[in-house]
Amino acid sequence: NAGVTQTPKFQVLKTGQSMTLQCAQDMNHEYMSWYRQDPGMGLRLIHYSVGAGITDQGEVPNGYNVSRSTTEDFPLRLLSAAPSQTSVYFCASMRSGEQYFGPGTRLTVT
Amino acid sequence: AQRVTQPEKLLSVFKGAPVELKCNYSYSGSPELFWYVQYSRQRLQLLLRHISRESIKGFTADLNKGETSFHLKKPFAQEEDSAMYYCALSAKSADSNYQLIWGAGTKLIIKP
Repeated sequence: NAGVTQTPKFQVLKTGQSMTLQCAQDMNHEYMSWYRQDPGMGLRLIHYSVGAGITDQGEVPNGYNVSRSTTEDFPLRLLSAAPSQTSVYFCASMRSGEQYFGPGTRLTVT
Repeated sequence: AQRVTQPEKLLSVFKGAPVELKCNYSYSGSPELFWYVQYSRQRLQLLLRHISRESIKGFTADLNKGETSFHLKKPFAQEEDSAMYYCALSAKSADSNYQLIWGAGTKLIIKP
């Protein structure tokens, strides 16, 4: 099993650009989520999904969209990047309360 | 309100000294608590969960419902324990799904 995979590992965007962070898992987990990790603020939930076709907002959803067309994939879209979205983004899947994290995407918005 | 508090952003101890990373929670239901660890340049991973009552890498954590705490302890710190540690609470959200509520994390530095 590859577990949870994320691409890209690093990305630099200009303000106003859009992009999609990819996330996939091969463990057949229903629950998937996206977090951002910022110094001193821990992990903040952006969006989550409890199964294919179902998504919901987390703590900090503004500026981000998600979709869940399959169990495996849960992409995160930045609609119009802003410097405040500079962060490390983690995708995770969950089973029985335990979360399995991807390696992260380090995003810089200039 | 559901909340996890890790009061120390940074904890620095000498190798061989005891370590205690504090975690307090606020939750009206029956809590399920976790400790996750993130070593430098690695992904977050589960360290231990209270229901398993395991000792992982010499770390233990006991759920104290009276004090609403789940402190992480190790009697003798090793340099490889240097990492970021997060306490998390599994809580039922408004839509009846379970989510993890995260503390802000404690950076543990073990000095040689």
